[in-house]
Amino acid sequence: AQTVTQSQPEMSVQEAETVTLSCTYDTSESDYYLFWYKQPPSRQMILVIRQEAYKQQNATENRFSVNFQKAAKSFSLKISDSQLGDAAMYFCAYRSAVGYGQNFVFGPGTRLSVLP
Amino acid sequence: SAVISQKPSRDICQRGTSLTIQCQVDSQVTMMFWYRQQPGQSLTLIATANQGSEATYESGFVIDKFPISRPNLTFSTLTVSNMSPEDSSIYLCSVDRQGNYGYTFGSGTRLTVV
Repeated sequence: AQTVTQSQPEMSVQEAETVTLSCTYDTSESDYYLFWYKQPPSRQMILVIRQEAYKQQNATENRFSVNFQKAAKSFSLKISDSQLGDAAMYFCAYRSAVGYGQNFVFGPGTRLSVLP
Repeated sequence: SAVISQKPSRDICQRGTSLTIQCQVDSQVTMMFWYRQQPGQSLTLIATANQGSEATYESGFVIDKFPISRPNLTFSTLTVSNMSPEDSSIYLCSVDRQGNYGYTFGSGTRLTVV
């Protein structure tokens, strides 16, 4: 079974600075998807960024980018120019690309605080 | 992408009672998923709801405690039955975002059992 690990329960960053959240995963599959979700205090789960395992190019979405290291099974999220609105829980998630409706496996989360 | 309306957003319930949570999707979807998020923890899948068939429950979750209905392709309910304080959690529904391989989530229901 796949597992997702986030080794940083809490992180903090100064406003306008850059922060990197770590995620590692374990799988025997070669084709899969990886995601970062953000959950602010409103409880809404918001998709931040996704990465297809077959793509070598790292995904970027505005201030958010990932460092995907497939051999190392590492998928870190970099947030540049941090804003107060970035404060939230961040969950790394894995999903198999085989079949349809495959379940997500979520990591334990990292709570990010942004300091003014 | 799908938009999900989930309600209630929060509730405080007495132990021994039941609460039904509703999720309405603005487009037809094959599968809907129900998650539980206990305080300070990650998301755990409760069950997958398909229209026209019984829901598929994950290990540790049973139909008698969490009955699910899926009467059509845009709507589902999750009932938390015979509640105890241990059921205090956030409950979220989600659907598969076609073509994007990510899930869209409802806004969650914060349940407190006293």
